[in-house]
Amino acid sequence: DQQVKQNSPSLSVQEGRISILNCDYTNSMFDYFLWYKKYPAEGPTFLISISSIKDKNEDGRFTVFLNKSAKHLSLHIVPSQPGDSAVYFCAALARTSGTYKYIFGTGTRLKVLA
Amino acid sequence: NAGVMQNPRHLVRRRGQEARLRCSPMKGHSHVYWYRQLPEEGLKFMVYLQKENIIDESGMPKERFSAEFPKEGPSILRIQQVVRGDSAAYFCASSRDRSEAFFGQGTRLTVV
Repeated sequence: DQQVKQNSPSLSVQEGRISILNCDYTNSMFDYFLWYKKYPAEGPTFLISISSIKDKNEDGRFTVFLNKSAKHLSLHIVPSQPGDSAVYFCAALARTSGTYKYIFGTGTRLKVLA
Repeated sequence: NAGVMQNPRHLVRRRGQEARLRCSPMKGHSHVYWYRQLPEEGLKFMVYLQKENIIDESGMPKERFSAEFPKEGPSILRIQQVVRGDSAAYFCASSRDRSEAFFGQGTRLTVV
């Protein structure tokens, strides 16, 4: 039961253009969402997060949009740079019966072409 | 402020041996999570611990796997009698509370 889905396993974008990575979730009880970037042989690095009380959060070149009615969030990277090439994971923070855990999508491999 | 520290970075074990993976959370973080990533797959939740307590182990295999987070010292993920299918990258993350979790560099376990 995949509660957080990233339906695009890969994405290629030209340097300088916008990268849009998408994520869908099924559980309306999720109220906090995060994006992580992962390079090969390294741990995931936190990028940006958003609470469900907001619909947008911006940090430099990275913006996360949340559409609660559609249970959809997206990460925009503008402008894209070759160093952004990595696997991007979307995650939701699940709270049930006093436990917190981060549920991750399967990732989208972004390749930024120079 | 040091990040999440995991050791060893690489671990090779023969089938049937035990593997012990260590994780020291960031200073001030009392929540520890373990995740496993199989080749070409995403991050799968294994267990969530606070000091001396296992809060959620719903992602842990029922046999051979155990985790602890003692009052003093790092969190330990222990795999007994390892099999080839246990070969994966194991990541530990920590958080202060209901906030961003920060990951360590991972331990890559290879079972030969």
